[in-house]
Amino acid sequence: DAGITQSPRHKVTETGTPVTLRCHQTENHRYMYWYRQDPGHGLRLIHYSYGVKDTDKGEVSDGYSVSRSKTEDFLLTLESATSSQTSVYFCAIRGNSGNTIYFGEGSWLTVV
Amino acid sequence: SQQGEEDPQALSIQEGENATMNCSYKTSINNLQWYRQNSGRGLVHLILIRSNEREKHSGRLRVTLDTSKKSSSLLITASRAADTASYFCATDMNSGYSTLTFGKGTMLLVSP
Repeated sequence: DAGITQSPRHKVTETGTPVTLRCHQTENHRYMYWYRQDPGHGLRLIHYSYGVKDTDKGEVSDGYSVSRSKTEDFLLTLESATSSQTSVYFCAIRGNSGNTIYFGEGSWLTVV
Repeated sequence: SQQGEEDPQALSIQEGENATMNCSYKTSINNLQWYRQNSGRGLVHLILIRSNEREKHSGRLRVTLDTSKKSSSLLITASRAADTASYFCATDMNSGYSTLTFGKGTMLLVSP
């Protein structure tokens, strides 16, 4: 599982509230990613990081921000959650040898 | 936008039969990766095939890549009920950051 831990695994929140999802890895991977998975869309990239404090936007970054203040943690924040952000969120890392991308178990977020 | 598109969207076979899933993409790639996802779970990495490779094997899995046709196929031989899952292809378009673009997946059902 490449040592990836996502938290929380399940969350229900109200529209307009802030939400932070955490991705924690234990193997010093440089590259980390956040994807969301929705029916009919497959997985889409939200943000990614290529080092501490180095982040960039993906395909569906609107409404999301990220932070990476230390190698092991990559945080995804929804500043003001909307119903369209109800989704399954996956964190991923790039393996330390080669370009294989490994995924966490996912965080199920419901915005009501 | 979807870079990879899997075909078929759904496939139903009997145990012992072979299953073939196809993936087409639009732009040049650095590598292509196949994943399996069981219902309600994370993505499990199956195989990475680089743009200069034509075929790779892993156990009962065989992946081919035809860069001239911008297509890849995943063959599962002697399918088992435990192979029932969704299968995704994902392309790394050589951004340098290994960001993946996913297709919508093929749902495989293997009946005993």
